[in-house]
Amino acid sequence: ETGVTQSPTHLIKTRGQQVTLRCSSQSGHNTVSWYQQALGQGPQFIFQYYREEENGRGNFPPRFSGLQFPNYSSELNVNALELDDSALYLCASSSRGQGADTGELFFGEGSRLTVL
Amino acid sequence: RKEVEQDPGPFNVPEGATVAFNCTYSNSASQSFFWYRQDCRKEPKLLMSVYSSGNEDGRFTAQLNRASQYISLLIRDSKLSDSATYLCVVSLTGGGNKLTFGTGTQLKVEL
Repeated sequence: ETGVTQSPTHLIKTRGQQVTLRCSSQSGHNTVSWYQQALGQGPQFIFQYYREEENGRGNFPPRFSGLQFPNYSSELNVNALELDDSALYLCASSSRGQGADTGELFFGEGSRLTVL
Repeated sequence: RKEVEQDPGPFNVPEGATVAFNCTYSNSASQSFFWYRQDCRKEPKLLMSVYSSGNEDGRFTAQLNRASQYISLLIRDSKLSDSATYLCVVSLTGGGNKLTFGTGTQLKVEL
C-alpha cells in the first residue's frame, strides 16, 4: 500500500451536479497531484498542489478546481458535471525538494466517478 | 498527435516468452522517462526509470533513444504475474513530477 487514501471509492452523479473528491497524501509528502483516467486511456494530469497553491495545470477547464490543506491533504472539485467526466480520478503524492523529478508518484486507488 | 504513443495491445504471450513494448514521445524537451505498471482496476505503480545508457532490473530492461524519441521495455522469461498494463511515461526537466502517460500496453501472460 502507498499510504495515499482517497474517498469516496465509487460514486454516481448526474449531469450538471457537482462533486468533491478527497485525498490524504503519504506521510512526509508535501505535493499532491490529480490525474483523470478514462477507460482504456492513461492517466491525464489535471493539476498539482504544493504548499497549498496550484503548481501547474493540465488541459482541463476551470470547472475542475482543487485545494490543498495545511496537512497536505487535498480536494478535487468538479462543477457542472458532464458525461465525459466519467473516469477514475487518481490522487498521487510526492515530495518536492527530495529528488523532485524522480518520477515516482505514489498513487491512491482512485475514486471512480460515473456521470449519468 | 498524442504526446506519448504506445501500441495498446493486448499482447498475449506464453509463460517464459520474451516480450518487448515500444513507445514514442513527441516533446523533444522531455528529459525524464519511466515505465509504470497498472494492474486491472488498481493504481499505477513505478516499475522502473529509463536512463540514456539503458538499464536493467532483473528480467526487465529499458532503453531510451533520444534521437528517435523512442523508449522500450523488454521483459524476459515472462511470468503469469507480469500480466498488467504497462504505461510509458515522460516528464520535462523541472516538471516536479508532472508526468505525461501513454495509453498503456496490455500484457497477458498465459500458461
